[in-house]
Amino acid sequence: DAKTTQPNSMESNEEEPVHLPCNHSTISGTDYIHWYRQLPSQGPEYVIHGLTSNVNNRMASLAIAEDRKSSTLILHRATLRDAAVYYCILRDDRANAGKSTFGDGTTLTVKP
Amino acid sequence: DARVTQTPRHKVTEMGQEVTMRCQPILGHNTVFWYRQTMMQGLELLAYFRNRAPLDDSGMPKDRFSAEMPDATLATLKIQPSEPRDSAVYFCASVPEGRLAKNIQYFGAGTRLSVL
Repeated sequence: DAKTTQPNSMESNEEEPVHLPCNHSTISGTDYIHWYRQLPSQGPEYVIHGLTSNVNNRMASLAIAEDRKSSTLILHRATLRDAAVYYCILRDDRANAGKSTFGDGTTLTVKP
Repeated sequence: DARVTQTPRHKVTEMGQEVTMRCQPILGHNTVFWYRQTMMQGLELLAYFRNRAPLDDSGMPKDRFSAEMPDATLATLKIQPSEPRDSAVYFCASVPEGRLAKNIQYFGAGTRLSVL
């Protein structure tokens, strides 16, 4: 299974943009890139996903490198409620398996 | 507000006892995932089902763990006998019908299991 690499932790100031990087150099052509986040004492929640093109939704933006070996989750204005562990995962579309492996994620701290 | 419901939220038991965790997927979702989360191992996939049939349970210790979907509204994860190393938070997630890799996983709040 293709794996992802993320920094262990990042800090941001409130109301500033945050760029969370993810490396996935062994990504295959059928892997979708998903981002989830987990707030303290909660289950993971979906943030955004994409295949090749950049994506925007109400929560964040996802920038995918042209060679797809890396991606960046962008939170445009961090709030204290965005403090969480952010996971970048690959989901395999081969045979509609959809299997995914969560890595260690990036712990985002937002300072007031 | 549709959500995945897991019961119980907390479970404390003694080593050797049977533990059953339940998950009610979002109505209409046909795929259910079971994960286990510990500080040491992070979030691990144990098994997943589609249309009530197991697709992959390779992450699950077979000797003591079993997972089933008796019907479309209930998934269960059973540990028998339980051991202290099973202490963890167990999450289930459901996915709507369609391409699994493209679809969103909706997670429950988890069951926190402590085996003494």
